[in-house]
Amino acid sequence: GQQLNQSPQSMFIQEGEDVSMNCTSSSIFNTWLWYKQDPGEGPVLLIALYKAGELTSNGRLTAQFGITRKDSFLNISASIPSDVGIYFCAGHYFVAGAGSYQLTFGKGTKLSVIP
Amino acid sequence: DTAVSQTPKYLVTQMGNDKSIKCEQNLGHDTMYWYKQDSKKFLKIMFSYNNKELIINETVPNRFSPKSPDKAHLNLHINSLELGDSAVYFCASSPRGGVERREQFFGPGTRLTVL
Repeated sequence: GQQLNQSPQSMFIQEGEDVSMNCTSSSIFNTWLWYKQDPGEGPVLLIALYKAGELTSNGRLTAQFGITRKDSFLNISASIPSDVGIYFCAGHYFVAGAGSYQLTFGKGTKLSVIP
Repeated sequence: DTAVSQTPKYLVTQMGNDKSIKCEQNLGHDTMYWYKQDSKKFLKIMFSYNNKELIINETVPNRFSPKSPDKAHLNLHINSLELGDSAVYFCASSPRGGVERREQFFGPGTRLTVL
């Protein structure tokens, strides 16, 4: 299957700092999704990207779909303690054998915010 | 008004037992999924169901069997549980249609511990 390389694996930042994380792949994806997972909870969708080059914001979050369709980044501005969690990128690709799209996930970026 | 719900939240059982995890979504979605999250937080798809038909089945042991009584439910049955089955299992759902509509929404997870 398709693989996503997500970095960094973990981050420790001071409250108020900006954060940047990214995902890359050698394969092309149709859509990119960014999720956040809080401890003991399921992943929650933050931003969905549909077109190459698309730049989308959701409050303090900004994400972009790379022009080559092989990468995406997520930025968080002015971090706050509740931003703590694990952030996952995910990409849709078409599975010809199944005749449908499948979502594959990066391995996550664990964010810690120091007050 | 929970969108995707799972029961139970925690499941502790002995090796060799058979157990089931239930999932329900009230979003009117056509496709439902089961994911396994291991101790390193890696999310891997196990199954997806579309209108009661299995459309993707990753290399999952046949001890695992999804069962969908209707479009709103996708239960996961596990036979002869093994130690390596211990993980958090997430149910998710998404609307059918073009790729633009395939955002997946996750349940809160079921933490399975096999002793």
